[in-house]
Amino acid sequence: NAGVTQTPKFRILKIGQSMTLQCTQDMNHNYMYWYRQDPGMGLKLIYYSVGAGITDKGEVPNGYNVSRSTTEDFPLRLELAAPSQTSVYFCASSSDSYNEQFFGPGTRLTVL
Amino acid sequence: GQNIDQPTEMTATEGAIVQINCTYQTSGFNGLFWYQQHAGEAPTFLSYNVLDGLEEKGRFSSFLSRSKGYSYLLLKELQMKDSASYLCAVTDSNYQLIWGAGTKLIIKP
Repeated sequence: NAGVTQTPKFRILKIGQSMTLQCTQDMNHNYMYWYRQDPGMGLKLIYYSVGAGITDKGEVPNGYNVSRSTTEDFPLRLELAAPSQTSVYFCASSSDSYNEQFFGPGTRLTVL
Repeated sequence: GQNIDQPTEMTATEGAIVQINCTYQTSGFNGLFWYQQHAGEAPTFLSYNVLDGLEEKGRFSSFLSRSKGYSYLLLKELQMKDSASYLCAVTDSNYQLIWGAGTKLIIKP
């Protein structure tokens, strides 16, 4: 049982480039989330999904897109990367909206 | 707006007890979580409170007062490995988690 896995662990992008952050969970959780965490700050919700085929915006969705074609996978797409998107990105999953969330190890992204 | 307040940093001595406070103002309330986050790592779940009162789990306890919009995390018999950030998060009326900025706890020998 791997839990929540994320790839890559680290990435440096140039301004204007695009990339996809991968997230997979093997716990059969319906709920999945993408957060960003800036230094010394709390987690900010980017997008979330309550099940395959259903996604919704969180607090800071601008500049990002997601899809949820399967229960296991919830990729996050960055289009036209900007320096403001330099952050640590965490993917998480939970069995329900009021249950604990399990986090992946994070992706450290730098946009130069 | 929605707001969660925690102290930015606290220092305590190994073997002692420390209480980390969290106050919140959110649109609705459906539970409060405490997570631990070691530097460079992902948050991990510590406790969940939805009713008023104290929940005890080993060396860690969490208290909730919904009427006061207040919670605290109590850590006993502090160990060096407890040096981490402690994040308070509240589930609002839309069942979204609103996160505090976290309290960095420094343990000194």
